[in-house]
Amino acid sequence: DTGVSQDPRHKITKRGQNVTFRCDPISEHNRLYWYRQTLGQGPEFLTYFQNEAQLEKSRLLSDRFSAERPKGSFSTLEIQRTEQGDSAMYLCASSRGLAGGSSYEQYFGPGTRLTVT
Amino acid sequence: GNSVTQMEGPVTLSEEAFLTINCTYTATGYPSLFWYVQYPGEGLQLLLKATKADDKGSNKGFEATYRKETTSFHLEKGSVQVSDSAVYFCALRGYTGFQKLVFGTGTRLLVSP
Repeated sequence: DTGVSQDPRHKITKRGQNVTFRCDPISEHNRLYWYRQTLGQGPEFLTYFQNEAQLEKSRLLSDRFSAERPKGSFSTLEIQRTEQGDSAMYLCASSRGLAGGSSYEQYFGPGTRLTVT
Repeated sequence: GNSVTQMEGPVTLSEEAFLTINCTYTATGYPSLFWYVQYPGEGLQLLLKATKADDKGSNKGFEATYRKETTSFHLEKGSVQVSDSAVYFCALRGYTGFQKLVFGTGTRLLVSP
């Protein structure tokens, strides 16, 4: 068990460019979450996968954002036409699911810090 | 909707002082409650949790008790160390539906020698 990993750790991009982040969850975890954390704030939920199915998306996830989890393993989060307001830390978390819909604790990766100039 | 309110920081203490970080929540039903800690440059680590009323979560000398009557989950430690300096986040997970976490804004703790 190597924990949740995220790549890259830091990304600087110019406004209008597209960026893609990757998250590798803990191997036996079937649930995967993306959160966004801006400076001085707590993480805010973006989206959630159970296996390969994207079950929920926050209203924070505009049309410029898309997330995938092919084959229920790693996940990618893409931001198209980045804006300065997208600058934030993007956190990925994973957990095991319990029967009946509940979950074990969520384990977080180190995050990808995005800076849009 | 569900929400979490934490005391504003920073909280500045001397080593071996007693720590309390207040957390209150608003939620329907019976949420699970968590404290996460974020050290500089790192992701969030689960510190402790409680899943039902009157449960006490504890880890590394930190404790928090799930108080349904006051909708609170205050974090305490009897004697802080310099290494405890970090940002602490209170969070809840709703009882129904999918399992996203709702976080407070975080409280920065600074411990001086």
